[in-house]
Parts: sequence; structure tokens; C-alpha cells
Amino acid sequence: DQQVKQNSPSLSVQEGRISILNCDYTNSMFDYFLWYKKYPAEGPTFLISISSIKDKNEDGRFTVFLNKSAKHLSLHIVPSQPGDSAVYFCAASAAYFGNEKLTFGTGTRLTIIP
Amino acid sequence: SAVISQKPSRDICQRGTSLTIQCQVDSQVTMMFWYRQQPGQSLTLIATANQGSEATYESGFVIDKFPISRPNLTFSTLTVSNMSPEDSSIYLCSGRGQGARAQYFGPGTRLTVL
Repeated sequence: DQQVKQNSPSLSVQEGRISILNCDYTNSMFDYFLWYKKYPAEGPTFLISISSIKDKNEDGRFTVFLNKSAKHLSLHIVPSQPGDSAVYFCAASAAYFGNEKLTFGTGTRLTIIP
Repeated sequence: SAVISQKPSRDICQRGTSLTIQCQVDSQVTMMFWYRQQPGQSLTLIATANQGSEATYESGFVIDKFPISRPNLTFSTLTVSNMSPEDSSIYLCSGRGQGARAQYFGPGTRLTVL
């Protein structure tokens, strides 16, 4: 049972434009959501997170939006740069689960076209 | 963010042998985790490494196959035992600080079993 889903396996965006990556979840106990970026042969790098008490969090070029009623979150990257080309994973955790383990989506490969 | 290192970075092993992966974290980390990323798949939690006691394993993972030690706060090992080609994956260590929700990942160990 895939509790965190990223339905787009890949996305291509022109440099300078906005990249929008989407993520859906099914478990209503999730109360914290994170985005990671992963380059080949490296571990995931934490990008940005959002608590379920908020609907938006911004950090520089990165903004995460959370729609709890739709169980949907999105990551916006503006403007997109060639170095943003990577695989992006969304992840969710729940304080209810005690150790707050992360459940990951399947990833979206973002390619920025110069 | 926490500084996390792993070794080896990669290895090629024969079927039936075992490999121990080491993870070192800085002192900000209180909780440590081990994940696996099989080819083309997402990250899956293997277990939570508990200091001075047995690890807490996720469904589908057992101690006999993936023994884990955490003798102190900043060091843990994961052993992949009696390996088969299906164990070929990237194995990742992560850590989380006290009161924090984000996990930070090591660079991973790429394991190929022939």
C-alpha cells in the first residue's frame, strides 16, 4: 500500500520557468511533510518541510504548499536552474507513530532544459 | 543540518557472503535509521537503530538478515547477511536531532551482489 504517491515519474522544464512537483498521500495521521533532492551516487538532501498546521512554507526559490483536505502537497521551484536537475522525493511522517519514521514517495526526475 | 558519513561507498560482493556498512554521525543526532533504495524504487525504512539495545525493524525486515548495532550515540552498523543478487541496492543511513522532524542522510553505500 503506497501511502505517499508521486504520480509523475519525470518532468522537464525550461530554465528560468517554474517547476511544480506534486505529491499525494492517503494516511490522515501524517502531520509533517518533507521534500528531498537526490543526485545520482549521493544521499538525499533535505530541501524544505511543512507542518500540517500550515498551508505554505517558503525558503528562497523553494515553496511548499499543503492542501490537507485534498491530501496533496506540491513543491514550486522559481526560477528553475540547471543545477535543480535531480530526482525529487516527497516524504511524510506522523508524530503518532512514535519514532516519526519517514514514508517516501516514488520520486520525480526533474530535468531543467537550458 | 547533521553531518553523516558512511563507508564503504560501494562494494561488489559474492552471493552468500556478508557486508557490514558503517555510519558515523555528528553529536547533534539522537535518532538513527537505516534505509534501502532498490534500483528504480523509492527509499524504504529497514529499521530504527536504538542506542545500546536491539533495533526496531519494519515489516518485511528481520534481524537475522539485517543485524544492526548502535554501541553509542554517534555510530551504527548495518550488516547485510548471506547476500543474494536481490540485495543489490543502495543502503542509506540517516539521523535526526532531538526535537527535530527532518532527517539527514549519509551518501549511501551502493552494493552489488553477483
